[in-house]
Amino acid sequence: ETGVTQTPRHLVMGMTNKKSLKCEQHLGHNAMYWYKQSAKKPLELMFVYSLEERVENNSVPSRFSPECPNSSHLFLHLHTLQPEDSALYLCASSQVAGAGETQYFGPGTRLLVL
Amino acid sequence: KQEVTQIPAALSVPEGENLVLNCSFTDSAIYNLQWFRQDPGKGLTSLLLIQSSQREQTSGRLNASLDKSSGRSTLYIAASQPGDSATYLCAVFSGGYNKLIFGAGTRLAVHP
Repeated sequence: ETGVTQTPRHLVMGMTNKKSLKCEQHLGHNAMYWYKQSAKKPLELMFVYSLEERVENNSVPSRFSPECPNSSHLFLHLHTLQPEDSALYLCASSQVAGAGETQYFGPGTRLLVL
Repeated sequence: KQEVTQIPAALSVPEGENLVLNCSFTDSAIYNLQWFRQDPGKGLTSLLLIQSSQREQTSGRLNASLDKSSGRSTLYIAASQPGDSATYLCAVFSGGYNKLIFGAGTRLAVHP
């Protein structure tokens, strides 16, 4: 595997379920990001991790819980989601979390909350 | 608060046409600007990154320009091909830890 991978690619869950999205980067980068892309809104940054430390939380509800156990892996734990949380969730990485560093994106997880 | 707008929202053209996609941003204090391509079911592919000190960048048939003072960028696609069909996203680096602010995109269809 090369680049940024995400699993699963598709996920359907009920509002009472707990699930996790996984992202893995094979680029040797030190910064990782979660983005949300809803059908009617532009891509929105959710979280930024730099050297496994969360450095930005873009006012994301607590039902989304990120985890970065090492610089290559990023998780997004989901619980008690709402139907409006249905979206494409994209992971990205960059060499460092510095201004203007090129970000490389994974293919995304398409989430449907019923 | 930085806002990014892309016009048009959708575009359908015959093969061979030269195209201009527009991007505008409200706060000119940006580090740089990036154009991406997004294909259905796939992630984003970076096309061009323009540093705040640059006026344009070129890659093959693509040329992107940046005018910070007016808050505008354009992506020029020469001799369009059906394989160019995708959604094109503009994003600016705006403060914080490499925070990208995206436009809603232009959905391009090039038909033979």
